[in-house]
Amino acid sequence: NAGVTQTPKFRVLKTGQSMTLLCAQDMNHEYMYWYRQDPGMGLRLIHYSVGEGTTAKGEVPDGYNVSRLKKQNFLLGLESAAPSQTSVYFCASSQLAGVQETQYFGPGTRLLVL
Amino acid sequence: LAKTTQPISMDSYEGQEVNITCSHNNIATNDYITWYQQFPSQGPRFIIQGYKTKVTNEVASLFIPADRKSSTLSLPRVSLSDTAVYYCLVGDSSNDYKLSFGAGTTVTVRA
Repeated sequence: NAGVTQTPKFRVLKTGQSMTLLCAQDMNHEYMYWYRQDPGMGLRLIHYSVGEGTTAKGEVPDGYNVSRLKKQNFLLGLESAAPSQTSVYFCASSQLAGVQETQYFGPGTRLLVL
Repeated sequence: LAKTTQPISMDSYEGQEVNITCSHNNIATNDYITWYQQFPSQGPRFIIQGYKTKVTNEVASLFIPADRKSSTLSLPRVSLSDTAVYYCLVGDSSNDYKLSFGAGTTVTVRA
């Protein structure tokens, strides 16, 4: 039981390049989330999914797209990377929604956009 | 989600007890109080949750007064490995996905 895994762990992009971050969970959770964390700040929700085939915008969705074709995977795409997207990206999953429900986080992906 | 306020940082020494107080004056009747811990270069992890009075587990204790307008996370006998950021979240089981972690409280434990 690996929990939540993220690929890659670290990536350097040039401005304008595209990439996809992969999140996988083996807990059969319905809900999955993508957050970004900038230095000295808390986490901000980018996009989330309430089940296979569904996605929705979070707090800071601009510049990102997501897909959830399989229940266990949640992909985050950057179509044209910008330096402002330099951040640490965390994926999380939970069985139910809300603060009352525990979210399980992955180890993070560090992205540097030059 | 109820707005929360917690100190930006706290310093402690090994073996001491660390208490972090979170204020949530507009907590709603159905809201729970949840704390997460984030070590450097890792994702946050759930440590404790409560509704009222006191909750204790192997990691921490959570004290909630009767009016529930604040809560205190207590870390007994901290060690260097307890150095982390601690986040207080308040909300219920409604379909609100916008969990607000804020800046949290950075706890630094020194030898």
